[in-house]
Amino acid sequence: KNQVEQSPQSLIILEGKNCTLQCNYTVSPFSNLRWYKQDTGRGPVSLTIMTFSENTKSNGRYTATLDADTKQSSLHITASQLSDSASYICVVSEYGGANNLFFGTGTRLTVIP
Amino acid sequence: EADIYQTPRYLVIGTGKKITLECSQTMGHDKMYWYQQDPGMELHLIHYSYGVNSTEKGDLSSESTVSRIRTEHFPLTLESARPSHTSQYLCASSERGLGEQYFGPGTRLTVT
Repeated sequence: KNQVEQSPQSLIILEGKNCTLQCNYTVSPFSNLRWYKQDTGRGPVSLTIMTFSENTKSNGRYTATLDADTKQSSLHITASQLSDSASYICVVSEYGGANNLFFGTGTRLTVIP
Repeated sequence: EADIYQTPRYLVIGTGKKITLECSQTMGHDKMYWYQQDPGMELHLIHYSYGVNSTEKGDLSSESTVSRIRTEHFPLTLESARPSHTSQYLCASSERGLGEQYFGPGTRLTVT
């Protein structure tokens, strides 16, 4: 069973609207959580990284939140643009192993004019 | 933009051929990784390296092999390609510890 679950699987929104993507994880012990943006046919690009003690982190129109108690994270996109159309992947690192990264299957976001 | 490169970007090849996917990074990162990703699916780690002369198998079993003779170079080789190898292959690198992973653009491999 995947230790990182993302929802929704796909989402279509109008340009200019806001949206929120969810990530629930069971990875333990927890080290950090990253959100990546992956354009079609490209490699993922990091948006934010959050450690245990961080609740909110922003990167432009992207704001990530983390609740380490409930093991939930969200990525909020404000004033969406057509270029936001991509897959957004949640990646959770397990403490103690350099290769112990757990990837979610991603949320496919499509922004339409 | 991260300085990590993959070639070729796209490859269509017949069954039984030997292929090598190239990955190079200019950031001096010790750790490098190869992931396999099918459309709409999550990334699966197939190989990683802690540094020169270090190679380890990842979580997903793969018939490919890797080598790490130079810090900046981490090629992946398939001795005999099969249609089941059709996928996207992503290379990544990171600094020591749990540093952020930087991904290359990927190689889309199709084996006919």
